[in-house]
Amino acid sequence: NAGVTQTPKFQVLKTGQSMTLQCAQDMNHEYMSWYRQDPGMGLRLIHYSVGAGITDQGEVPNGYNVSRSTTEDFPLRLLSAAPSQTSVYFCASSYPGSTDTQYFGPGTRLTVL
Amino acid sequence: AQSVTQLDSHVSVSEGTPVLLRCNYSSSYSPSLFWYVQHPNKGLQLLLKYTSAATLVKGINGFEAEFKKSETSFHLTKPSAHMSDAAEYFCVVTLISNFGNEKLTFGTGTRLTIIP
Repeated sequence: NAGVTQTPKFQVLKTGQSMTLQCAQDMNHEYMSWYRQDPGMGLRLIHYSVGAGITDQGEVPNGYNVSRSTTEDFPLRLLSAAPSQTSVYFCASSYPGSTDTQYFGPGTRLTVL
Repeated sequence: AQSVTQLDSHVSVSEGTPVLLRCNYSSSYSPSLFWYVQHPNKGLQLLLKYTSAATLVKGINGFEAEFKKSETSFHLTKPSAHMSDAAEYFCVVTLISNFGNEKLTFGTGTRLTIIP
């Protein structure tokens, strides 16, 4: 199993550009989520999904969009990048409940100029 | 309000001495609690979790944590620190989501430094 994979590993954007961060898992997990990590703030939940076709907002959803068309994939879209979105982004997955062990991807380091 | 607080942003201990990383939570029900570790430039890895079974939970690499409901605490300990323990540690608590299931809320993290 590859586990949770994220692409790209690094990305630099200009303000106003859009892009999609990719996340995929091959463990047949129903629960997937996106976090951003900023210094001194821990990980904050952006969006999450409890299964294909079902998504919900987390703590900091503004400026981000998600969809879940398959169990395996959970892409995160930045609609119009802003410098405040400079961060490290982690995708995670688990079996049905978040009380189960979360498996994290290696992260995407995003810089918005 | 439901929340999790890590009381120390940075802890330094000498190699071979005990480690104590403190975590307090606030919840209107009995949550599940976790400790995750993040080594430099790496993703997060589960150390241990409490899900309403035994209050003393043993994890990987010699770490353990005790759930104390009366003190609303879930402190992480290790009897003897090793250089490889240098990392950032996150205390995590579950909250109820809009769908009625549980979602994770992370503390702000404690950076553990080991002094040779």
